[in-house]
Amino acid sequence: ETGVTQSPTHLIKTRGQQVTLRCSSQSGHNTVSWYQQALGQGPQFIFQYYREEENGRGNFPPRFSGLQFPNYSSELNVNALELDDSALYLCASSLTTTGGSYEQYFGPGTRLTVT
Amino acid sequence: DQQVKQNSPSLSVQEGRISILNCDYTNSMFDYFLWYKKYPAEGPTFLISISSIKDKNEDGRFTVFLNKSAKHLSLHIVPSQPGDSAVYFCAARPDSSYKLIFGSGTRLLVRP
Repeated sequence: ETGVTQSPTHLIKTRGQQVTLRCSSQSGHNTVSWYQQALGQGPQFIFQYYREEENGRGNFPPRFSGLQFPNYSSELNVNALELDDSALYLCASSLTTTGGSYEQYFGPGTRLTVT
Repeated sequence: DQQVKQNSPSLSVQEGRISILNCDYTNSMFDYFLWYKKYPAEGPTFLISISSIKDKNEDGRFTVFLNKSAKHLSLHIVPSQPGDSAVYFCAARPDSSYKLIFGSGTRLLVRP
């Protein structure tokens, strides 16, 4: 069983630039969620993708957007980067059934630094 | 508005003893609770979960207790091992929702 993988591991960008982060979900999972974790805090929900559509969104501006592909992998795109976007970005995959979606399994994260 | 709170930023326990990590929540609509463990430079690892219709769930050395009337959740680790040293996050899922709401974490140190 393959776990959740993310790329790249680390990334340094300049304010105003755009960034794309990638995630491959665990085999057998069909749902991907993205979280932002600032230093010293717990992960904060950005959005979730199921069946290639956004399935819910947290309190993040529209410059945070995403995609899910037919193989259930996903991308997180952030436009017009701001210094406060510096954080660890975590991808989590889960299995959604008619009974709901429960445990989410996390990847190792992408550390984004905006200068 | 912090709906899930872990009020102890750190905890130090002797190897072999019990570790008790606590979590409080404010939203009575949470229906599912989870604990995750996080090592540096890794993503959170799922540990154990509990549905709001239960008050206890056990998995090996890990037991989660849920007190709905007090809106309180705790994770017991017995016996504690040095490899358990990590940051522990509790998380809650709003009623049949798609997202998890996390606490700010408790750093556990198990001393040999």
